[in-house]
Amino acid sequence: EDQVTQSPEALRLQEGESSSLNCSYTVSGLRGLFWYRQDPGKGPEFLFTLYSAGEEKEKERLKATLTKKESFLHITAPKPEDSATYLCAVQAWAGGSYIPTFGRGTSLIVHP
Amino acid sequence: DGGITQSPKYLFRKEGQNVTLSCEQNLNHDAMYWYRQDPGQGLRLIYYSQIVNDFQKGDIAEGYSVSREKKESFPLTVTSAQKNPTAFYLCASTHPDRGYGYTFGSGTRLTVV
Repeated sequence: EDQVTQSPEALRLQEGESSSLNCSYTVSGLRGLFWYRQDPGKGPEFLFTLYSAGEEKEKERLKATLTKKESFLHITAPKPEDSATYLCAVQAWAGGSYIPTFGRGTSLIVHP
Repeated sequence: DGGITQSPKYLFRKEGQNVTLSCEQNLNHDAMYWYRQDPGQGLRLIYYSQIVNDFQKGDIAEGYSVSREKKESFPLTVTSAQKNPTAFYLCASTHPDRGYGYTFGSGTRLTVV
């Protein structure tokens, strides 16, 4: 069974304090790993897709990396507006359709 | 701008009542999905559709039904058979050009009263 585990469940940072969120996974036949940002009461917003170990993607203060067993979302010098829940999803081939398995998310709060 | 529109934003259901959540997209995406989100849990797949007039059950389809009569629309009905329907419901679509990353709607919060 495909599994996705995100850690920590919650993270509090001071503005400017860099850190990383982790997404570890076990899946047969990885097709892609996705990161999303979700604000309270809203739908998740797509951030990145990573396909193979060693791949990196960047967007503003966020940088996502991928190994064969986990992905990290690095947040450099975060600002309060980076506060949100960050979701990781792993996609594998399943019966002809790409159905991702989601982790439970990491809730990030950045204090000014 | 293209996107997914979910309505209503808030919905209240009485015991024994069926309710329908709307999901409309203008992205020309073939595949559409319905997820349920509960506090402290990951997104759980209810139903998905890869093409018009075809859909498949997800992990928690019991008590739900869908239809896909048009490419743009994928409504979800929460039936009286769903015993614990209070949750945040998310509709999504995807396309190969995005590596199958999802575009989500803004969600519908359903509460049983």
